Amino acid sequence: DIQMTQSPSSLSASVGDRVTITCRASQSINRYLNWYQQKPGKAPKLVISAASSLQSAVPSRFSGSGSVTDFTLTISSLQPEDFATYYCQQSYSAPPTFGQGTKVEIK
Amino acid sequence: QVTLRESGPALVKPTQTLTLTCTFSGFSLSTSGMCVNWIRQPPGRALEWLARIDWDDDKYYSTSLKTRLTISKDTSKNQVVLTMTNMDPVDTATYYCARILSPQSGFDYWGQGTPVTVSS
Repeated sequence: DIQMTQSPSSLSASVGDRVTITCRASQSINRYLNWYQQKPGKAPKLVISAASSLQSAVPSRFSGSGSVTDFTLTISSLQPEDFATYYCQQSYSAPPTFGQGTKVEIK
Repeated sequence: QVTLRESGPALVKPTQTLTLTCTFSGFSLSTSGMCVNWIRQPPGRALEWLARIDWDDDKYYSTSLKTRLTISKDTSKNQVVLTMTNMDPVDTATYYCARILSPQSGFDYWGQGTPVTVSS
């Protein structure tokens, strides 16, 4: 199975801050990398697919980049509704695997 | 619009078999490329993928859980069923079903999840 490693596991940031979360795959996954946002008690929401494709209705302050094994999710100006846990997930090969999550908290 | 909804028991005893049903609408599992997955999340922990069934009835399972899992579909009823045998307290989690449009795409629609507690 492909292992996905996210960093950091948590971070504290203020409204308006630029936030970057990284995800590393244990082997090449091309650009088959997806990012999810999960708020407490809710199902995850797909925000970026195929490393950099923003899902419809997701604000443009979210962006994704990377390929092969190293990927980044960036929130350019953190908003109150962005405080959540973010997961990366590889869809390159079965079984699909998730990172351990990054919790974005209010500073 | 696309919706998915999980149903099943909220409480199961250790060693029992869990049966969960995902009932969906807004798409057909007979459409080429379509897949439905099961994913779980123990309290306070990360997401864990469990199983997938494809439009052509191909099935895939978690490496660590494959001996305990069975996934099936009833296309006419728009349902996918997951069974997990020999339940243990460590299987306590919220169980989600989620759709993908093709085997290499992201999970674009999720159910709201159903919590399952394993306890005697």
